[in-house]
Order: sequence, then C-alpha cells, then structure tokens
Amino acid sequence: KAGVTQTPRYLIKTRGQQVTLSCSPISGHRSVSWYQQTPGQGLQFLFEYFSETQRNKGNFPGRFSGRQFSNSRSEMNVSTLELGDSALYLCASSSHFNEQYFGPGTRLTVT
Amino acid sequence: AQTVTQSQPEMSVQEAETVTLSCTYDTSESDYYLFWYKQPPSRQMILVIRQEAYKQQNATENRFSVNFQKAAKSFSLKISDSQLGDAAMYFCAYRSAEDSNYQLIWGAGTKLIIKP
Repeated sequence: KAGVTQTPRYLIKTRGQQVTLSCSPISGHRSVSWYQQTPGQGLQFLFEYFSETQRNKGNFPGRFSGRQFSNSRSEMNVSTLELGDSALYLCASSSHFNEQYFGPGTRLTVT
Repeated sequence: AQTVTQSQPEMSVQEAETVTLSCTYDTSESDYYLFWYKQPPSRQMILVIRQEAYKQQNATENRFSVNFQKAAKSFSLKISDSQLGDAAMYFCAYRSAEDSNYQLIWGAGTKLIIKP
C-alpha cells in the first residue's frame, strides 16, 4: 500500500496570506489527524477527521481549519498567517486500529 | 488532562551497545495506548512500537523492547545492538482508549546519538 502523502512538501508564505495543505491517507484509512511540530512547542494536535466529520480539535485559534472529503483526503487551511505559524505540519492516517501512520510533512515558512 | 514527559533531551550510545530512553506519563484513565515513534533527521515519523495498557506483557519488535510499568506510569524504550541508522529523535506518545479520540499526546522527545 502507498503511504500517507502530503503536498506540498515545502511552502513559503508572507504574513497575512492564507495557505492550504493537503493530505492523502493510506487507502482504506478513514481517520486523518493533523499535528503542528515546532522546536519550541514540540508536537501539538490540531484536529482529527473521520468520515468527513471533525471528531476532535486541539487548542488552536479559529484561523486553523480543516476538512475531509468523501475519499478521506483531507486539507487544512491557515488564514491570516503569522510568523509563529512557521512549522512542520504532519498528517497521520489511521484505520480502526490504533496506530497512526505519518506522512513526510509540509514545511511551512512564514516571512 | 494527560501529560507525557521525556526527561532526557539527548542520549548518546556507542554503536552495538544498548540504550534505554525514559518516558513517564500521567493519566487517570485505566485503558490507553502508548507508542514510541522515531523521527530521523529530515525524515518522516515512524512507529517503532506500541503497548496496550491492559496487556501486562511488554511489547517487543526485533531490537526494540519496552519496559511498561503501569503502576509507576513509566514506559521506557530499550534499543539493543544500537546501529547508526537508529540515530533520530524518539518521541513517546499516549492515546486514550476510552473514547474515539485519536489524539496523540506527545513527549518533548529524546535525541539519540549513535557513536561509531
């Protein structure tokens, strides 16, 4: 099976812009989770989608949003980018079992 | 709220030797899962090993094994016969099994250096 894919792999944006990141889960996986990884804050949970519904949400401002499509692909959007949004954004997919399988991440740099 | 603590920011070990990475967690739940993930430099997060809290037997995957002490809320990772390819950040993570919450709660990570 193909692994979790994330596009784009690298992104440079300017403060105030918005960005959309994409994640394609492993075939058959219906749960997709998003995490933000920074040197200062470590790994933090953003949200999780299952069958097109947001099931859980972390403690992030409303500028961070996401959605999931009927084919389980997921997107996350960050509006009005701030310098502090610079991070590695990781997507993970899971079946009804408990392991989460991660994609390579999208490195977002906000200037 | 659950928390995960990795008290060793960095560890180093000689190639072929054994190293143990520490992880403690805090929870009031009785049913949960614990994981060790590995993140090599500039590469993606890889699941190393998982442990179900209801299982008393410690999980083992080849050279990787855990020492799970539920009462002490401790979950250490032992890497035997360390190899250069084991160099990475290692993260301990917790996941509740008591609801459909797939959120992983992470420790801060331990950087493992392998000396040739």
